[in-house]
Amino acid sequence: AQTVTQSQPEMSVQEAETVTLSCTYDTSESDYYLFWYKQPPSRQMILVIRQEAYKQQNATENRFSVNFQKAAKSFSLKISDSQLGDAAMYFCAYRSAQSNYQLIWGAGTKLIIKP
Amino acid sequence: AAGVIQSPRHLIKEKRETATLKCYPIPRHDTVYWYQQGPGQDPQFLISFYEKMQSDKGSIPDRFSAQQFSDYHSELNMSSLELGDSALYFCASSSSMNTEAFFGQGTRLTVV
Repeated sequence: AQTVTQSQPEMSVQEAETVTLSCTYDTSESDYYLFWYKQPPSRQMILVIRQEAYKQQNATENRFSVNFQKAAKSFSLKISDSQLGDAAMYFCAYRSAQSNYQLIWGAGTKLIIKP
Repeated sequence: AAGVIQSPRHLIKEKRETATLKCYPIPRHDTVYWYQQGPGQDPQFLISFYEKMQSDKGSIPDRFSAQQFSDYHSELNMSSLELGDSALYFCASSSSMNTEAFFGQGTRLTVV
């Protein structure tokens, strides 16, 4: 069974600085998808970025980028130029490519932005 | 762009009552997922449907049932509600042609 681990329950960063959130996963599959979701205090679940395992290039979405290390089964999220609106819970999630299977979630990391 | 619509947004029920949550997926999305998220927890997968057929089942109690209708909307029926059922219930939809799931705003269920 696949598992996703987020080892940082909480992280804080000064506004305008860069922060990296860690995520590791375990799977025996070779083809899968990885996601970072953001859940602000409103509790809306918002997709931040996705990565296909077959792609070597790291995904980037504006200030958000990932460091995908397939051999190490690591999928970290880097947020550059942190803004107050980035404060939220961040969840790492895995999905098999075999089918439209459920997302496997990490426990989440609470990101605090210091003004 | 159209998003996943969930109704109601908030629901208060008494113990042993029944609740029905509705989800309207993004147009042309053929897969719907239901998740339950307790306070301070990650989402727990309940059940999913692909093309109106149940495709995957997670930790959904026997007291709960769900279905997807011909117009692709889905309903989660919860009976004999317990205090522990109080949570945020998310519906998400995706297209089999793509990979990401898009979430609705959730239904906050409070059982008193």
